Amino acid sequence: GQQVMQIPQYQHVQEGEDFTTYCNSSTTLSNIQWYKQRPGGHPVFLIQLVKSGEVKKQKRLTFQFGEAKKNSSLHITATQTTDVGTYFCAGDNTGTASKLTFGTGTRLQVTL
Amino acid sequence: NAGVTQTPKFRILKIGQSMTLQCTQDMNHNYMYWYRQDPGMGLKLIYYSVGAGITDKGEVPNGYNVSRSTTEDFPLRLELAAPSQTSVYFCASSLAAYEQYFGPGTRLTVT
Repeated sequence: GQQVMQIPQYQHVQEGEDFTTYCNSSTTLSNIQWYKQRPGGHPVFLIQLVKSGEVKKQKRLTFQFGEAKKNSSLHITATQTTDVGTYFCAGDNTGTASKLTFGTGTRLQVTL
Repeated sequence: NAGVTQTPKFRILKIGQSMTLQCTQDMNHNYMYWYRQDPGMGLKLIYYSVGAGITDKGEVPNGYNVSRSTTEDFPLRLELAAPSQTSVYFCASSLAAYEQYFGPGTRLTVT
């Protein structure tokens, strides 16, 4: 079945440093979504990418979808303590986005 | 709007017991989902529904059953609970196949 891996599993940064998490799928994806989960909380939707090579920005967050639609990345510029949490990518290869396969997640810790 | 609500928040079951996890959404979303999240892991899709009366299996459906008699409700039934079902269960909904809104989760322990 489809597998979605993320690296790194965990990253600890000082506030103000940049952070990047990478997402790799074993199959070509129709679309990819990104979610953030705060400790003890539930996943919250960040963004969806659907086009090959697509780049989207949300303030300090930059999301990319690979040209082959098998990988994606999330980059955070100048991290803040409010960025703490686990970031998951979730991919779909059915074209419906109704059967997402979630990645393993990257846990981000930010200290002052 | 309450969004997606789940009950109970916590539950401890003995091996072999059964229970139903409740999920309700008030956003008139057609799509609903059940996931489980084991400690330190990602979410795995158990079952999903694209509308009332329609359900389909996800990645890990064994040991679970669902029904979708109304747009708002999507209960998850655990029959003959096993320790491997100890997990946090999240229900989610979406309008068509896009952004999923998650409930607060049910933390289940089977001992």
